[in-house]
Amino acid sequence: GAGVSQSPRYKVAKRGQDVALRCDPISGHVSLFWYQQALGQGPEFLTYFQNEAQLDKSGLPSDRFFAERPEGSVSTLKIQRTQQEDSAVYLCASSFKKAGRVNQPQHFGDGTRLSIL
Amino acid sequence: KQEVTQIPAALSVPEGENLVLNCSFTDSAIYNLQWFRQDPGKGLTSLLLIQSSQREQTSGRLNASLDKSSGRSTLYIAASQPGDSATYLCARRGNKLTFGGGTRVLVKP
Repeated sequence: GAGVSQSPRYKVAKRGQDVALRCDPISGHVSLFWYQQALGQGPEFLTYFQNEAQLDKSGLPSDRFFAERPEGSVSTLKIQRTQQEDSAVYLCASSFKKAGRVNQPQHFGDGTRLSIL
Repeated sequence: KQEVTQIPAALSVPEGENLVLNCSFTDSAIYNLQWFRQDPGKGLTSLLLIQSSQREQTSGRLNASLDKSSGRSTLYIAASQPGDSATYLCARRGNKLTFGGGTRVLVKP
C-alpha cells in the first residue's frame, strides 16, 4: 500500500504477557517514529529511528518497552510483562528525510489499539 | 510535563458557525507548529504547518495563525460542516512532535 501500515489493528492481552506491534513505513522513508496515545489524550513520543539507528528513545516509559528496526524498514515495538496502564493506541509515523528538517511531514498509520486485561 | 495545551477539550457548534481552536505552548523557541485532524480509530492527517518564521497559513476554509511572543496558535475553520467533526491536535515540531491534548469538535447539522 501507499501509506504506513500497522498490525495488528487491535490486540488484547492478559496482564503479564508480552506483545509485539509491527509498523511498515512508506517505502524509502528514512525516519520512523512511535507514539503512544492514551484515551482522550494527544499522542506522546516514544522513540525515533533514522534508518536502522535508534537515535532517540527518551520517551519509552520503562525498560519493558523495546523497539527495533534491524534493516531500516519495518519496525517492531515490543512490550514485555504488560500492565494495564500500557493500554493505549500505539501510532507509527514515517517521513522521507531526516527528522527536524523543515517541511518534512510525518505520515501516520492508523495505529494498534492495545487493551491489557 | 505537557508543553503544549489545547483549550477547550471539547466543542459543539451548529453547522455553519465558525470554529476557533486554541493551542498554547510554553517553549517560545519552537521550530514549527503543526495542526492535525484525527478521526475516530484513525491516524493523524496533517492540515497546516506554520514555520516559526511565519505568522499564518491558509488552506481552503482553514486558517492557522502563530504568535510566538504570546505562545499561541489558533486554528480557524470557516462555515463549519458536519464533516468537520473530529479531534484537532496541534503539535510543536522539532526532531519529534510534541502534541497537545486535542480538541474534540462536533458540528451538529
